[in-house]
Amino acid sequence: DAGVTQSPTHLIKTRGQQVTLRCSPKSGHDTVSWYQQALGQGPQFIFQYYEEEERQRGNFPDRFSGHQFPNYSSELNVNALLLGDSALYLCASSPGVPSYEQYFGPGTRLTVT
Amino acid sequence: GQNIDQPTEMTATEGAIVQINCTYQTSGFNGLFWYQQHAGEAPTFLSYNVLDGLEEKGRFSSFLSRSKGYSYLLLKELQMKDSASYLCAVRDDEFTGGGNKLTFGTGTQLKVEL
Repeated sequence: DAGVTQSPTHLIKTRGQQVTLRCSPKSGHDTVSWYQQALGQGPQFIFQYYEEEERQRGNFPDRFSGHQFPNYSSELNVNALLLGDSALYLCASSPGVPSYEQYFGPGTRLTVT
Repeated sequence: GQNIDQPTEMTATEGAIVQINCTYQTSGFNGLFWYQQHAGEAPTFLSYNVLDGLEEKGRFSSFLSRSKGYSYLLLKELQMKDSASYLCAVRDDEFTGGGNKLTFGTGTQLKVEL
């Protein structure tokens, strides 16, 4: 049973560029959440997708957008990258019904230079 | 909004017991979680409390008092591999869609020494 997978593992981008990160949820899970974790900090909620719609959003600018596909996988897009966007981006999946289960993927380490 | 506080660092001895505290002030509450995160890795689920009291799971126990906005994670028989960051997280009470938005504290870095 595959857990949550994310790609790529590491990524280096230049300020002003755009980036797309990908996530496949754990089998049987249909809800995907994205978190940003800066070094030495706890993860911060970006947004959550369920039934291909953004259901909740944290305090992140519109430069951060996402998408969920019919197979429940998800993408996180960040436009006009800033140095401050350098972080570990975590994807978490859970069953659609409110549940305490939430499994995190290994993350994508994004470095903006 | 949510505000979650936990100590930044703690040090303990192998074989000992350590208690990591977490206090929270939230506009809504629907469960408190503890996650373990080793450096450079994803958080892994340790425990979940939604009702007051103690939940025990092997060497790990977690306690919740909703009236006090307080939780702790208790780790017994500490091992070197327990050196990690321990994250306290609160789920808000919105059940829109998945309803699983978590607000995390900054984490407590635990160092286990010989």
